[in-house]
Amino acid sequence: QVQLVQSGAEVKKPGASVKVSCKASGYTFTSYDINWVRQATGQGLEWMGWMNPNSGNTGYAQKFQGRVTMTRNTSISTAYMELSSLRSEDTAVYYCARGVVATKHWYFDLWGRGTLVTVSS
Amino acid sequence: SSELTQDPAVSVALGQTVRITCQGDSLRSYYASWYQQKPGQAPVLVIYGKNNRPSGIPDRFSGSSSGNTASLTITGAQAEDEADYYCNSRDSSGNHHVVFGGGTKLTVL
Repeated sequence: QVQLVQSGAEVKKPGASVKVSCKASGYTFTSYDINWVRQATGQGLEWMGWMNPNSGNTGYAQKFQGRVTMTRNTSISTAYMELSSLRSEDTAVYYCARGVVATKHWYFDLWGRGTLVTVSS
Repeated sequence: SSELTQDPAVSVALGQTVRITCQGDSLRSYYASWYQQKPGQAPVLVIYGKNNRPSGIPDRFSGSSSGNTASLTITGAQAEDEADYYCNSRDSSGNHHVVFGGGTKLTVL
């Protein structure tokens, strides 16, 4: 079964870091980029960045530059997103999504179920 | 960076046709993709590329584009189509980035 399985909900204090995992199954992990998208309660989707599991290359949205790190462990087909210096505004559901990139488009055809990260003192 | 603009809310009578639009400069160069999101669920891709539907998406969903505007059309809307719809495209600023629209809440009356 083709799927992305994410780690469970997290509660963190302001200033801490969180690391969310995303395990791919049912397809060749290194053949597609993994992207991370977050969604605060009642808000829209916000793209955070991408990672190429084959090369490890990454690209981050300017808003998250310096605070986010995307990595992977190819031996277990798992991608990770670590966000540091957490603040209350980072409270959101974080999704991993498989990206398909071509000359004229970039879309996400497979999504994880999301990981709720709550930042609260 | 590019921005994509969507109407916050649209309504349609059951069985009628509705068009949800997405505007932005990046759409002059890149195709929009469309996602359906129901409460408490992850987004689901419904349209990508010029007008392609992933397996399992009903053919009442279609996509089109003209100039800086992309549209998602639902022909014969069903009650189960009530959801939030988001567009996205590549960022046309030269960065290898993605941009999402703000989303449209579709109500089926």
